[in-house]
Amino acid sequence: KAGVTQTPRYLIKTRGQQVTLSCSPISGHRSVSWYQQTPGQGLQFLFEYFSETQRNKGNFPGRFSGRQFSNSRSEMNVSTLELGDSALYLCASSSDRTSANYGYTFGSGTRLTVV
Amino acid sequence: LAKTTQPISMDSYEGQEVNITCSHNNIATNDYITWYQQFPSQGPRFIIQGYKTKVTNEVASLFIPADRKSSTLSLPRVSLSDTAVYYCLVGERKGGFKTIFGAGTRLFVKA
Repeated sequence: KAGVTQTPRYLIKTRGQQVTLSCSPISGHRSVSWYQQTPGQGLQFLFEYFSETQRNKGNFPGRFSGRQFSNSRSEMNVSTLELGDSALYLCASSSDRTSANYGYTFGSGTRLTVV
Repeated sequence: LAKTTQPISMDSYEGQEVNITCSHNNIATNDYITWYQQFPSQGPRFIIQGYKTKVTNEVASLFIPADRKSSTLSLPRVSLSDTAVYYCLVGERKGGFKTIFGAGTRLFVKA
């Protein structure tokens, strides 16, 4: 079966711009989580969506937002980009609404570079 | 959320068994222990999950003592391709959960 698909794979943006990243979970998976990974901070949790509702949120500023559609696809948006937002953004999906930590499947990520 | 502590890095040679231990002193009753593997520029990959005693699958074994305050991921006969970062996570299986990844353990497998 198809894995978690993230688009685009690479992105270069200018400071002050905004960006939207997309994630298509594994078919049938209803939970989608987003992570930011940088060399200095490691993997940091952004937010989790389940059935179009944000279920958990990490400690990121309001410039980071997300949403989930009825087909479970999810998008995350970062507005007013800063150089420090350069990172690998990872999306993960899970099949069981009661098992957020059970067998996450991650996508390959979107590499965002802010210049 | 239970905090985990792992060694920052480990070295091994091809063909050896590698054991990576994770400490989670404040693990809660409902918490499970999950291990992920990550290669550069890829998302983490689920390896194994367990609650107590021993769990084994086709790639690894997970040993959890009775007090559950630590766990050991065992990789039998590692190869160069096992060079990666390994993360230990602890948390409930139920409900929305902010999965927190620690710094992980960088495993270097040498020829």
